[in-house]
Amino acid sequence: GENVEQHPSTLSVQEGDSAVIKCTYSDSASNYFPWYKQELGKGPQLIIDIRSNVGEKKDQRIAVTLNKTAKHFSLHITETQPEDSAVYFCAARTGTSYGKLTFGQGTILTVHP
Amino acid sequence: NAGVTQTPKFQVLKTGQSMTLQCAQDMNHEYMSWYRQDPGMGLRLIHYSVGAGITDQGEVPNGYNVSRSTTEDFPLRLLSAAPSQTSVYFCASCGGAPYNEQFFGPGTRLTVL
Repeated sequence: GENVEQHPSTLSVQEGDSAVIKCTYSDSASNYFPWYKQELGKGPQLIIDIRSNVGEKKDQRIAVTLNKTAKHFSLHITETQPEDSAVYFCAARTGTSYGKLTFGQGTILTVHP
Repeated sequence: NAGVTQTPKFQVLKTGQSMTLQCAQDMNHEYMSWYRQDPGMGLRLIHYSVGAGITDQGEVPNGYNVSRSTTEDFPLRLLSAAPSQTSVYFCASCGGAPYNEQFFGPGTRLTVL
């Protein structure tokens, strides 16, 4: 089955700096890669996603890049703000298995004012 | 729309007790899933369903049962609780193509003594 590795496990930045979180996946058939943000005591919430036929996607301060050859994808957050502090998860899905996501281990992002 | 709802929010069980975690969605989504979240391990898929009457196992199904009699509801049953099942449980739903997003509920924090 699919295996997703996520790094780093913790990331501390100053407000206004950029943050980058990286994930690798094992199944070349995976074709959908979402990123979720989880705030304390809440369920994960989708912040951005990318399909395998796209190399990069951007939404305001958040961007995701995908390298299918190397089987890795990354989340980039620019101009970080204290409210960006949360746990971030990457995930991968294979084919049309809409109910099945394989998650990375999570990254605790702390943005210091 | 209420989205994905879960009850209860917190539960304490003794080893050997049984219980049912409730999950409901009002978005008419075909796909529903149960995940457990443990520290440092991300979210792991327990069971999932691709429609009413159809369920399948995920990565960590042992000790759990599910059924899907309606589109809206997807309960998770613990037959004989064990301390290893202490975790936070999340239910999720997805509408399938062309919408990829999985929507998560707020979670149930379960402690087994």
